[in-house]
Amino acid sequence: NAGVTQTPKFQVLKTGQSMTLQCAQDMNHEYMSWYRQDPGMGLRLIHYSVGAGITDQGEVPNGYNVSRSTTEDFPLRLLSAAPSQTSVYFCATRGRGSEKLFFGSGTQLSVL
Amino acid sequence: QKEVEQDPGPLSVPEGAIVSLNCTYSNSAFQYFMWYRQYSRKGPELLMYTYSSGNKEDGRFTAQVDKSSKYISLFIRDSQPSDSATYLCAMRMTYNTNAGKSTFGDGTTLTVKP
Repeated sequence: NAGVTQTPKFQVLKTGQSMTLQCAQDMNHEYMSWYRQDPGMGLRLIHYSVGAGITDQGEVPNGYNVSRSTTEDFPLRLLSAAPSQTSVYFCATRGRGSEKLFFGSGTQLSVL
Repeated sequence: QKEVEQDPGPLSVPEGAIVSLNCTYSNSAFQYFMWYRQYSRKGPELLMYTYSSGNKEDGRFTAQVDKSSKYISLFIRDSQPSDSATYLCAMRMTYNTNAGKSTFGDGTTLTVKP
């Protein structure tokens, strides 16, 4: 039981490049979400999903796309990376009826 | 103005001290209140949560919620060096349109010195 797995752990991009951050969970949780964490700005919600086929925007969705074709996977796509997207990204999941968010170990992204 | 305000610290205390961490919020619709602990270069982990107002105790940790003042606290008794981490408060509403969203404070960095 791996919990929430994020890949890659580190990534460096050039401005304008695109990439996908992967998030996979093996806990059969319906709710999955992506946060970014920046110094002095805490955790900010990017996108979230309450089940396969359902996604919605969070607080800071611009520049990011998501899809949820399966219960297990919730990839985050950066369409055209910008230096402002340099951050640590966390995927988090929650089971039905639970208040506990399970976080992955994070992806450190630098955009040059 | 942010919905959830949390003093970032840093906070440094000697081992054995009582630590008080606090958050204020502006949205009266918040019903669930959580505290997460985050060690350096790790994802946050849920420490405690409470529903609506009141106190909850778990070992050395006590969470308090005062909805009338829109103020929540986390107390750590007999603090240990292993408690050194960043503590984030988080809050969530209950009605379905926002059922999935948790709003986080910026986090308070705590160091407990031996």
